[in-house]
Amino acid sequence: AQSVTQPDIHITVSEGASLELRCNYSYGATPYLFWYVQSPGQGLQLLLKYFSGDTLVQGIKGFEAEFKRSQSSFNLRKPSVHWSDAAEYFCAVVEMDSSYKLIFGSGTRLLVRP
Amino acid sequence: DAGVTQSPTHLIKTRGQHVTLRCSPISGHKSVSWYQQVLGQGPQFIFQYYEKEERGRGNFPDRFSARQFPNYSSELNVNALLLGDSALYLCASRGGTNEKLFFGSGTQLSVL
Repeated sequence: AQSVTQPDIHITVSEGASLELRCNYSYGATPYLFWYVQSPGQGLQLLLKYFSGDTLVQGIKGFEAEFKRSQSSFNLRKPSVHWSDAAEYFCAVVEMDSSYKLIFGSGTRLLVRP
Repeated sequence: DAGVTQSPTHLIKTRGQHVTLRCSPISGHKSVSWYQQVLGQGPQFIFQYYEKEERGRGNFPDRFSARQFPNYSSELNVNALLLGDSALYLCASRGGTNEKLFFGSGTQLSVL
């Protein structure tokens, strides 16, 4: 079965510092991968997605992610974190059988120090 | 343009009661999915409906049911509520072959 692992439960960075959130997936074929962000009590906002092609994908809010098939990873990066980036971040892979569903990781909570 | 809308935003029920959650997809989207997000965890897939037919069901008991209406809106029903059903219930819609799911803000259900 497909799965997504986000090994870091919490990450704390200083404002202006760089950020990398880790995501590893388990999927037999070429995966469709997503990163979503969630503010407290809110729904999920799509940051970026990877389906095929260029393995470095750009998203909103200055985020980017790199797909590495050899490492089964899809890590999220941002060169300079802003205080407003503090939120929960979820990596997800699409599982397509008769349905179209996202398999989410358990999330990484980002805390930003002033 | 309106996004995915869910109602109510918050709900408090007691054990054994029944609850109905509602979702209106983005205009033109024919697929609606439901996810349950327990505090501190990632969302888990419950159902997907497309053109009023169930396309997929996650690992949830029969107490959970859903349906999709001709206008593509959807209801999620949960019977015989348990304390463990307390969660944020998210609805998502998808249009055509677009791979993106658009999520609503969710319904926060508390079971006492």
